[in-house]
Amino acid sequence: DAGVIQSPRHEVTEMGQEVTLRCKPISGHDYLFWYRQTMMRGLELLIYFNNNVPIDDSGMPEDRFSAKMPNASFSTLKIQPSEPRDSAVYFCASSPVSQKLYGYTFGSGTRLTVV
Amino acid sequence: AQSVTQLDSQVPVFEEAPVELRCNYSSSVSVYLFWYVQYPNQGLQLLLKYLSGSTLVKGINGFEAEFNKSQTSFHLRKPSVHISDTAEYFCAVSGGNTPLVFGKGTRLSVIA
Repeated sequence: DAGVIQSPRHEVTEMGQEVTLRCKPISGHDYLFWYRQTMMRGLELLIYFNNNVPIDDSGMPEDRFSAKMPNASFSTLKIQPSEPRDSAVYFCASSPVSQKLYGYTFGSGTRLTVV
Repeated sequence: AQSVTQLDSQVPVFEEAPVELRCNYSSSVSVYLFWYVQYPNQGLQLLLKYLSGSTLVKGINGFEAEFNKSQTSFHLRKPSVHISDTAEYFCAVSGGNTPLVFGKGTRLSVIA
């Protein structure tokens, strides 16, 4: 298994541009999570899905952020328009139905820089 | 709701010395506790987890952690560290089927 795959690994964009981050979870995992990591705030949960359905998006910081999971093998996190304070590492993670037994498998992250 | 406090943001230690990384949690329900490690430019990897049963949990790379309910702690320990253990370590808590809540991390630096 290739694990959780995120793309791109690095993204540099100008303020105001649209940014799309992509994630392919592990096949058979029912849960998908998007986290953001910054020095100041650590790891923050943005949103998570169960069987492709968004369950809790209360961590999404603003309406500029949106996430979709059109099928079991693909999810996107979009920021439109992007701002410098969105600069962070964004992680996608997936988990089988029993989260507490198996924990999460994380992707390698996307380092976003908004200039 | 659950929360996690990692008491030390940075821990320097000499190679082959023991280390303890501290974690305290807060929860109104039964908890499940995890430690993850993050090497530079990588995602987080699961080190070990406590679900129930024995309070001493052994994980990969020689790490272990002890669950202490009365002190609401889940400290991570290793008797002898190596240079390769240099990384950031995250404690996390879940109330069951709720998402993991992570601490802010402890950066372990092993000095030769």
